[in-house]
Amino acid sequence: KAGVTQTPRYLIKTRGQQVTLSCSPISGHRSVSWYQQTPGQGLQFLFEYFSETQRNKGNFPGRFSGRQFSNSRSEMNVSTLELGDSALYLCASSFDRRTSYEQYFGPGTRLTVT
Amino acid sequence: SQQGEEDPQALSIQEGENATMNCSYKTSINNLQWYRQNSGRGLVHLILIRSNEREKHSGRLRVTLDTSKKSSSLLITASRAADTASYFCAPLDSSYKLIFGSGTRLLVRP
Repeated sequence: KAGVTQTPRYLIKTRGQQVTLSCSPISGHRSVSWYQQTPGQGLQFLFEYFSETQRNKGNFPGRFSGRQFSNSRSEMNVSTLELGDSALYLCASSFDRRTSYEQYFGPGTRLTVT
Repeated sequence: SQQGEEDPQALSIQEGENATMNCSYKTSINNLQWYRQNSGRGLVHLILIRSNEREKHSGRLRVTLDTSKKSSSLLITASRAADTASYFCAPLDSSYKLIFGSGTRLLVRP
């Protein structure tokens, strides 16, 4: 099976702009989670989508949003970018929480905000 | 705040030695997972231990779980240079959130 893919891999944006990141899960996986990784805060959970519905949410401001499509592909959007949003954004897919809920991660999108 | 906290933050060993990393967490869990991350890349799932299990093995990996102490350990035996990476524990809490700790940076010297 193909792994989790994320696009783009690298992105440079300016403060105040918005950005959309994309994630394609492993075929058959219906759960997609997003994480932000920074040197200062580590790996932080953003949100999880399952069957096009947000099922779980971390402690991030409303500028961070996401959605999931009927084919399980997911996008996350960050509006009004701030310098502190510079991070590695990781997407992970999983079959379902009723099983072990192992997460399969993509390579990440490295976002730099200038 | 972080749920899983690893100790030590950094570990440097010689190839062939064993590496032990510890993890503590705060609330009740469904399971606890360990992941590896090579330098700024995506995470790779290593092993999962359920809340009703005490010990689990997978190849050179051995994980223990003590739910009474809310702690887990990961042992990598006969380490190799390729094991150099950051290792994260991630308890799956009762709301099915995987909460990652800050990680242990392991350096295996050839």
